[in-house]
Amino acid sequence: QVQLVESGGGVVQPGRSLRLSCAASGFTFSSYAMHWVRQAPGKGLEWVGVIWYDGSNKYYADSVKGRFTMSRDNSKNTLYLQMNSLRAEDTAVYYCARDRGYCSSIKCHYAMDVWGQGTTVTVSS
Amino acid sequence: EIVMTQSPATLSVSPGERATLSCRASQSVSSNLTWYQQKPGQAPRLLIYGASTRATGIPARFSGSGSGTEFTLTISSLHSEDFAVYYCQQYNNWPRYTFGQGTKLEI
Repeated sequence: QVQLVESGGGVVQPGRSLRLSCAASGFTFSSYAMHWVRQAPGKGLEWVGVIWYDGSNKYYADSVKGRFTMSRDNSKNTLYLQMNSLRAEDTAVYYCARDRGYCSSIKCHYAMDVWGQGTTVTVSS
Repeated sequence: EIVMTQSPATLSVSPGERATLSCRASQSVSSNLTWYQQKPGQAPRLLIYGASTRATGIPARFSGSGSGTEFTLTISSLHSEDFAVYYCQQYNNWPRYTFGQGTKLEI
């Protein structure tokens, strides 16, 4: 079945780095743009960034721009999030999600239709 | 940046009742709006895209409406499994997405 599984979370000190992974299965990973979304403890959802299906384009939220980098390896069906210079406010559950376009002859609508279960990142000294 | 504001923050209703959740955009997003449901300890689940189109497998008691800056998610007759947090999200400037802060639907 269609599935996303995140890994790589943990406890890290402020200023250090961490890399998250998201393993995809059950669909043609290389055909979809992919997002990272995070959720701080007790808070709402925050969009982190998106990477094009072929990795050619990437867009980031202002809160992580210059510190976080998304990449993907389509041969391994895996999405990555490299997080550098981590701050306490980066503490959150990080979800990867598939971007799905629903297109008619008139226009396209978009949504994140498949989500992983999340991996927890805690930034603390 | 487009800011999404949801109201109320918490909505208390009973099973079988109708629930109406609101989402307002700081500028027009046309019909480029999505609704998600999130239960405790779970990932979000796609409910509605294009402001009013139910995603695959979503029951007909969920309906979305609105365009421009004002949107509504209606649950016609609440089931026990519907008690959760609901988020709206705009994609007018796709692929950059913005979420509302969520509405908690409680008994």
